[in-house]
Amino acid sequence: DTGVSQDPRHKITKRGQNVTFRCDPISEHNRLYWYRQTLGQGPEFLTYFQNEAQLEKSRLLSDRFSAERPKGSFSTLEIQRTEQGDSAMYLCASSLKEGRGAKNIQYFGAGTRLSVL
Amino acid sequence: AQTVTQSQPEMSVQEAETVTLSCTYDTSESDYYLFWYKQPPSRQMILVIRQEAYKQQNATENRFSVNFQKAAKSFSLKISDSQLGDAAMYFCAYRMNYGGSQGNLIFGKGTKLSVKP
Repeated sequence: DTGVSQDPRHKITKRGQNVTFRCDPISEHNRLYWYRQTLGQGPEFLTYFQNEAQLEKSRLLSDRFSAERPKGSFSTLEIQRTEQGDSAMYLCASSLKEGRGAKNIQYFGAGTRLSVL
Repeated sequence: AQTVTQSQPEMSVQEAETVTLSCTYDTSESDYYLFWYKQPPSRQMILVIRQEAYKQQNATENRFSVNFQKAAKSFSLKISDSQLGDAAMYFCAYRMNYGGSQGNLIFGKGTKLSVKP
């Protein structure tokens, strides 16, 4: 169990540029989640996948955001035409869904901190 | 919509003493989970303790215990024998067990806990 891995840890970009983040979940975890955390706030849900299927998207996920999980393994989150309001910590979590939510505990990565100048 | 409220932005405790962090939530559901997560500075969020709403017995994990009052929709965390390593942001979180939003966690704004030597 190597934990949830996120890359990069920090990203500085200029407004209008596109950025892509990667998340590698714990192996054999079939669910993967993306959250956004701004300063002084708790994480807010963006989207989640069960295997390769994207099952839910938050209203926070504007058209500039897209997430993929090809082959149900790692996931990428892309932000197009970044805005200063996109500056935040982007957290990834994974879990193993078993039965009636019994083991569906979400394990978090260390996050990618995005700064849009 | 479900909400989670943490009314204490900051708390402080003396090493070896006991501290209680408060959390209230609002939901019309009867089947859900409640969590406390710890987020040390610049480190990933880790699960401290979990409570299943249909279980009346309060969860305990070593020095950490909860006081779950379902009717009052209250879920406080008690940390006994506080240690310097307990200093962190603590987030209370809710997850519905069934239905459209069964995957994502809903977080409070967090409580920053300081431990004084």
